[in-house]
Amino acid sequence: DGGITQSPKYLFRKEGQNVTLSCEQNLNHDAMYWYRQDPGQGLRLIYYSQIVNDFQKGDIAEGYSVSREKKESFPLTVTSAQKNPTAFYLCASSTRGAGRQETQYFGPGTRLLVL
Amino acid sequence: GESVGLHLPTLSVQEGDNSIINCAYSNSASDYFIWYKQESGKGPQFIIDIRSNMDKRQGQRVTVLLNKTVKHLSLQIAATQPGDSAVYFCAEKSPWGGGYQKVTFGTGTKLQVIP
Repeated sequence: DGGITQSPKYLFRKEGQNVTLSCEQNLNHDAMYWYRQDPGQGLRLIYYSQIVNDFQKGDIAEGYSVSREKKESFPLTVTSAQKNPTAFYLCASSTRGAGRQETQYFGPGTRLLVL
Repeated sequence: GESVGLHLPTLSVQEGDNSIINCAYSNSASDYFIWYKQESGKGPQFIIDIRSNMDKRQGQRVTVLLNKTVKHLSLQIAATQPGDSAVYFCAEKSPWGGGYQKVTFGTGTKLQVIP
């Protein structure tokens, strides 16, 4: 997990509710990422941020929102517009988003379940 | 534990034997490859990486082989131990635009070590 923390470990969402997943890193990494993991599928990119106050949509951004006000923090909000939010959410960070060899390091994940 | 291993191909190996996990990648423009290990309920951990100008790289008990002709990557684990039991997946980095290198993750292979 190495310097990347995610909370909570488990999160329950009611219908129509927005929930926010926390991701913090103390690795001094510029780039941060959010992925969604579903059984039998590879990780899918939701949003990424290469620098503070800037972020870009990934492949499946609909129904999600992010902010990057601090270098260390990249919270993800799952909005009520996301109709199938049940999944394992992984946050990652890397030294630079544009470099070929900047490996992404992952947090421990948050399991989101719908009540 | 979490169900990230559902519907994945499974490789069963006797403790002490060598394991070979394969991965086919899709993008001929990919220039950097990474292997990750994911234990149940946890975030992926970096194992080893390789650049596209190499065909082999060795780490501690692990070797990655890259065959660009057939777009194939393999991870070899020597003297497999019970602690190696996990899901292993490969990732490829390719140019995506705007200076960003996109990472595409494979679906993974579940390694089961038989004591």
